Amino acid sequence: DGGITQSPKYLFRKEGQNVTLSCEQNLNHDAMYWYRQDPGQGLRLIYYSQIVNDFQKGDIAEGYSVSREKKESFPLTVTSAQKNPTAFYLCASSQGQAHQETQYFGPGTRLLVL
Amino acid sequence: KQEVTQIPAALSVPEGENLVLNCSFTDSAIYNLQWFRQDPGKGLTSLLLIQSSQREQTSGRLNASLDKSSGRSTLYIAASQPGDSATYLCAVRRTGNNRKLIWGLGTSLAVNP
Repeated sequence: DGGITQSPKYLFRKEGQNVTLSCEQNLNHDAMYWYRQDPGQGLRLIYYSQIVNDFQKGDIAEGYSVSREKKESFPLTVTSAQKNPTAFYLCASSQGQAHQETQYFGPGTRLLVL
Repeated sequence: KQEVTQIPAALSVPEGENLVLNCSFTDSAIYNLQWFRQDPGKGLTSLLLIQSSQREQTSGRLNASLDKSSGRSTLYIAASQPGDSATYLCAVRRTGNNRKLIWGLGTSLAVNP
């Protein structure tokens, strides 16, 4: 089955802790994205990557970091600097140049703060 | 600045009704517009994509129209079914070098048996 997987489904973070959300795709897509979804707000772009070893900040990158060491993987780290991390995090991918083609989404990870 | 608004925020209809969801955007200079579906606690699924040069797209019981001059798109769902219950999101892609998606808040649809 081709698609995007995200893990874990639920993640709990303690104060001051860094946590990493996994995103893997087997669609052979070049571009990958991370969004944050909060009640009452539209999806907001955190980071995106066009190719391996390259990534760009989105609209709300502060307190987050990413890496793109492999084409199929784009993990997101929520650092202790992110003061309000509770949200639903969505990973997506698309063919070709970033922000041009239809984006395909993973099932999401819900992050909660203990 | 491009803003995307979806009305109504929530809608409850009996099974079998034809219904229309609305999406409006403030800047008509768009590259394309896309409708997505999101089930509770799940990711998004792309339903229809309309290029700026197109007026409508159809997929099964779904029909999406685009009127750039008035800054509006509608998603028409024919003969609604309980399985259509979900949140429907509209997203606009701008023209120019920065084509990031600009998202509406969605319409939460409940189709009652």
